[in-house]
Amino acid sequence: QKEVEQNSGPLSVPEGAIASLNCTYSDRVSQSFFWYRQYSGKSPELIMSIYSNGDKEDGRFTAQLNKASQYVSLLIRDSQPSDSATYLCAVKWGAAGNKLTFGGGTRVLVKP
Amino acid sequence: GAVVSQHPSRVICKSGTSVKIECRSLDFQATTMFWYRQFPKQSLMLMATSNEGSKATYEQGVEKDKFLINHASLTLSTLTVTSAHPEDSSFYICSARTGQSNTGELFFGEGSRLTVL
Repeated sequence: QKEVEQNSGPLSVPEGAIASLNCTYSDRVSQSFFWYRQYSGKSPELIMSIYSNGDKEDGRFTAQLNKASQYVSLLIRDSQPSDSATYLCAVKWGAAGNKLTFGGGTRVLVKP
Repeated sequence: GAVVSQHPSRVICKSGTSVKIECRSLDFQATTMFWYRQFPKQSLMLMATSNEGSKATYEQGVEKDKFLINHASLTLSTLTVTSAHPEDSSFYICSARTGQSNTGELFFGEGSRLTVL
């Protein structure tokens, strides 16, 4: 059973600080990795996608991928109260067609 | 990003009735759409993969006769929950992929919250 693991949180960070979210996955044959943000009662929205080892930056967000360690992370710099949400890690397995498997999500609370 | 629209956003029905949820890709053609279900405080669980012009592929444990999926065109997939029961109450979300299968990103509809009384 392929799995995607996240700490459920809540991860509480003060406004302006860096929020660091982690995600591990169980299978080395994986191609694509995604971070989604989901506000309560809403559907997920894509924040970042990353396909190769290393860092990828987009505004205040940085995704980091380490395939050898089966680990992907998301950093949120200068955290804002509007960043308070659940962040979902998703992995597309190489042999599973177009399907994504989601982690349980990490709830982030940014306190003013 | 690409736009995926779902309707209705909320539906309340009586136990034993059937409910249809529509998922449309508004500005692109989607040969494949995905249906997810999310219970409170849980993550998204894939129910089925909807393929245009062919039968849907269901995940293990999902009853294909209860959750009917039709993907008649490149922009529309429907999920019908038949003979709904209170345990079917959930947040149903569709998604569609743009671009090439290995790199296209997944965009979600707004979700449909089903409450079965």
